[in-house]
Amino acid sequence: EIVLTQSPGTLSLSPGERATLSCRASQSVGSSFLAWYQQKPGQAPRLLIYGTSSRAAGIPDRFSGSGSGTDFTLTISRLEPEDFAVYYCQHYGNSLFTFGPGTKVDIK
Amino acid sequence: QVQLQESGPRLVKPSQTLSLTCTVSGGSISSGSYYWSWIRQPAGKGLEWIGRFYTSGSTNYNPSLRSRVTISLDTSKNQFSLRLSSVTAADTAVYFCARVVVSCGGADCSYVFDSWGQGTLVTVSS
Repeated sequence: EIVLTQSPGTLSLSPGERATLSCRASQSVGSSFLAWYQQKPGQAPRLLIYGTSSRAAGIPDRFSGSGSGTDFTLTISRLEPEDFAVYYCQHYGNSLFTFGPGTKVDIK
Repeated sequence: QVQLQESGPRLVKPSQTLSLTCTVSGGSISSGSYYWSWIRQPAGKGLEWIGRFYTSGSTNYNPSLRSRVTISLDTSKNQFSLRLSSVTAADTAVYFCARVVVSCGGADCSYVFDSWGQGTLVTVSS
């Protein structure tokens, strides 16, 4: 079973800054199988990125994903006030889904 | 646009069975393009996938919960359900239902949760 680790646990930034979030897999995974979600308090998660780098419908282009093998990155080029939230990476493999523990992006 | 809504008891006694239903609107649950899934989230913690159901009847469950979980579909009502037996306080969480969409490009396909219910808090307590 793949284990996902996310870092940092919390990222304190100001609006307009660039955010770089990391997701590391316990073993190499295919790029098709890595996704990212955003979750705000009291809400369901929202799909941001699938297949490592493809943006879901309606997601602004300030969100981008990259990576391969065991190391994947979600980048938010310029933080908007509505981007402060928790971000989860997710893997699918062998008919199982796993989530990382999340990175909280909060206002500095 | 598809919408999902969870319903069911909010309070369950220890050792009993938790039962939730997800009603799908704006699309048919019988569509072969999707899987239907349950995910939970204890307060202040991360997301845990519980399992999924495909219209062919195939199911997959989180190994840590497999012995206690059943997911089923009721196509006549456009609903799918979760049953979790022998619950304890550790099963207290917000439970989400979600749709899994499959996107294929090249040799591989991505499986992601593209639509979610709002979530319902289920508390296990006597």
